[in-house]
Amino acid sequence: EIVLTQSPGTLSLSPGERATLSCRASQSVSSDYLAWYQQKPGQAPRVLIYGASSRATGIPDRFSGSGSGTDFTLTITRLEPEDFAVYYCQQYGSSPLTFGGGTKVEIK
Amino acid sequence: EVQLLESGGGLVQPGGSLRLSCAASGFTFSSYAMSWVRQAPGKGLEWVSAISGSGGSTYHADSVKGRFTISRNNSKNTLYLQMSSLRADDTAVYYCAKGGLTSGWGEGFWGQGTLVTVSS
Repeated sequence: EIVLTQSPGTLSLSPGERATLSCRASQSVSSDYLAWYQQKPGQAPRVLIYGASSRATGIPDRFSGSGSGTDFTLTITRLEPEDFAVYYCQQYGSSPLTFGGGTKVEIK
Repeated sequence: EVQLLESGGGLVQPGGSLRLSCAASGFTFSSYAMSWVRQAPGKGLEWVSAISGSGGSTYHADSVKGRFTISRNNSKNTLYLQMSSLRADDTAVYYCAKGGLTSGWGEGFWGQGTLVTVSS
């Protein structure tokens, strides 16, 4: 099983600042089958990035994904008020599919 | 418009059974792998099960293997999750999602979720 470790657990930032979220895998993620999600309370997750770096339809370009193998990063260049939420990474290249534990981006 | 509508959640006693359904519309259901993902109250996301478009391949998390069965009826455009020997730690919102092993997650289609509560 591929274990995904997200860091930090909580990120306290102000609107307009840059957010850098990390997702580290216990073994290489096959063909970079890695996705990033945003989730707000009471809502289903919303996909931001798939294939490690491809932005999903309708996602603003302030969101970007990078990395390969075992180290992946989600970057939000300038935080908007609506970006404060919990973010999860997911690998879907091997079974069992797994999610990271999440990073909460909160308003400082 | 793609829609995924879960149903079948509710309160069940420990050791009991429940079948969740997910009615799909807006896409060629039989062409796509589907999954169930759950989220316990206040916790993170946990993938539960996946099934190929034909239904010929299924995958389950170790935490539910032998207790849960994923299936689909492509003529009814419906995904199922049969849950048995339910435990308190199965309490969660269960989402169906369009996606499986190596495919589908980038489109971002998830249902709104159905709550399963396991309690006496």
